[in-house]
Amino acid sequence: DSGVTQTPKHLITATGQRVTLRCSPRSGDLSVYWYQQSLDQGLQFLIQYYNGEERAKGNILERFSAQQFPDLHSELNLSSLELGDSALYFCASSVAGQGWTEAFFGQGTRLTVV
Amino acid sequence: DAKTTQPTSMDCAEGRAANLPCNHSTISGNEYVYWYRQIHSQGPQYIIHGLKNNETNEMASLIITEDRKSSTLILPHATLRDTAVYYCIVRSANFGNEKLTFGTGTRLTIIP
Repeated sequence: DSGVTQTPKHLITATGQRVTLRCSPRSGDLSVYWYQQSLDQGLQFLIQYYNGEERAKGNILERFSAQQFPDLHSELNLSSLELGDSALYFCASSVAGQGWTEAFFGQGTRLTVV
Repeated sequence: DAKTTQPTSMDCAEGRAANLPCNHSTISGNEYVYWYRQIHSQGPQYIIHGLKNNETNEMASLIITEDRKSSTLILPHATLRDTAVYYCIVRSANFGNEKLTFGTGTRLTIIP
């Protein structure tokens, strides 16, 4: 158990809909990272938050947004869903500001868009 | 972040040492080498990391060449549970650039 909790574990929704994925980081970790893993793309970095502020941005679509709340949990919002958004979405957390530490990953949310 | 090159796949007999190579010829002085693995579709699992010295923990050893252009992850006594995709990642130590950039990794299969 990495200490990072993601909910829900599975999500099935229709095209055009909007969903919210939730991540609770390890106790004490200030940074949260979101990754997308689809069959043909591998693990793609989406976005990082540190203590409530956006820190780094990857290949995140404009239809996707994220935020980190004062209690440090994070939510990834996916809207106007398309079939191609079907993927595993992972959240990771780490102690920020120290590049030598490891990031711990949650078990992911499997999103299926039908 | 520096790019890494890994073999697509490798096999190793159970009980033997598994040696996974990684090339990172463009690594810069403040970039660390990290290894993660992903078993089936689980979340990636941290294995080990290093800057320039060899490192060992309860899971594996990391050997980094003196010029830091390549490294080898060693699983000393591979078991069937070590079958996974192994990712070698070079990660900046700069504040604000801590993200991990995953490549395609090496699919390691442990053979009974």
